[in-house]
Amino acid sequence: GAGVSQSPSNKVTEKGKDVELRCDPISGHTALYWYRQSLGQGLEFLIYFQGNSAPDKSGLPSDRFSAERTGGSVSTLTIQRTQQEDSAVYLCASSLAPRTEMTEAFFGQGTRLTVV
Amino acid sequence: DAKTTQPTSMDCAEGRAANLPCNHSTISGNEYVYWYRQIHSQGPQYIIHGLKNNETNEMASLIITEDRKSSTLILPHATLRDTAVYYCIVRVAGYGSARQLTFGSGTQLTVLP
Repeated sequence: GAGVSQSPSNKVTEKGKDVELRCDPISGHTALYWYRQSLGQGLEFLIYFQGNSAPDKSGLPSDRFSAERTGGSVSTLTIQRTQQEDSAVYLCASSLAPRTEMTEAFFGQGTRLTVV
Repeated sequence: DAKTTQPTSMDCAEGRAANLPCNHSTISGNEYVYWYRQIHSQGPQYIIHGLKNNETNEMASLIITEDRKSSTLILPHATLRDTAVYYCIVRVAGYGSARQLTFGSGTQLTVLP
């Protein structure tokens, strides 16, 4: 597609439920990133996928968070047993070739998750 | 990672140049200065980046001081659609730098009609 697509755009869930957030990166982009942004805060790195390499999961805040990237394209971020502090905007970004300085990350519109 | 400091907010008249400053006095030799912006309810948008030379693209110009301790993003003819939070970050370019794409609080630029 023309840009990074995320779905759903908004998600309200009850505390303790599991949620799945989807990201469709720009076609051909080998790198995919997940971040979250709490109200009025900057970006918090969560996880990074690059091609077939093992993902960098160092930003995941707890073992309730996991992510997959199937076929080197679509990615799903799963949050199990959601807590109220998980409420945030979850942003996905993709980039073409992170090994070069000229490559930038293009962001989706985000999924606004509200845990009630 | 080098820390950046930016003013919390700025106003600019429509059609005038918007000059957004950023201090990054602890920047390392291999770190680039990047600017992103985030319009309300949208994902961040890349604007421009540079190492030590001034840079210009279709969106903006980036002026980096000779000692690289500060920089200025210039929007030459601000429009109402440029109202956004502008983030200045420093990071090493290339592989493995995804974790460094962390934004602080940025500068809220409001373009006034």
